[in-house]
Amino acid sequence: EPEVTQTPSHQVTQMGQEVILRCVPISNHLYFYWYRQILGQKVEFLVSFYNNEISEKSEIFDDQFSVERPDGSNFTLKIRSTKLEDSAMYFCASSEMSRWYFGPGTRLTVT
Amino acid sequence: GENVEQHPSTLSVQEGDSAVIKCTYSDSASNYFPWYKQELGKRPQLIIDIRSNVGEKKDQRIAVTLNKTAKHFSLHITETQPEDSAVYFCAASINQAGTALIFGKGTTLSVSS
Repeated sequence: EPEVTQTPSHQVTQMGQEVILRCVPISNHLYFYWYRQILGQKVEFLVSFYNNEISEKSEIFDDQFSVERPDGSNFTLKIRSTKLEDSAMYFCASSEMSRWYFGPGTRLTVT
Repeated sequence: GENVEQHPSTLSVQEGDSAVIKCTYSDSASNYFPWYKQELGKRPQLIIDIRSNVGEKKDQRIAVTLNKTAKHFSLHITETQPEDSAVYFCAASINQAGTALIFGKGTTLSVSS
């Protein structure tokens, strides 16, 4: 069964640094998403992406965040200048219509 | 925007008992309601979902019920087993791809043998 994949599994960065989290969605899916989960809390929606455009974004997704589909398979989340509070698990997801499939996550630790 | 409330936050049952987790949602336009199971350090896994044209759906030991009038839906697990222990999240969405899936805060289910 095809799965969403993410790299790296764990990223440690210093405050103020830029990070790029990478995802490979399921190949025939057209809708892509980023979610985050702070330790012990619920999964929070960040952004959705379709046809090379942002479809919807939450209040969390401010100017520090950006998304890109640089080629036919990858989907990336960039955080320009990381803050301590960006430490979380970041999940990529893709969907066919309205069934979401999540990747294994990237644990981001900002020190 | 949509807001999903989930109760209880923790639930402890004995193996073989039933477990029920309840969620309410605020946006009457929501019509897709999935449930995810998340084991420690792993991705959320879809276990069952229901759409608004259906009142109940069952898959072996798992069932979900939906009351659109009251805006609440519930997950029922029968004959619980220790491997059912995990965090369970309900979620709600308008049935359109590209829109946000809004999660509840999760229920930590512990099944003791």
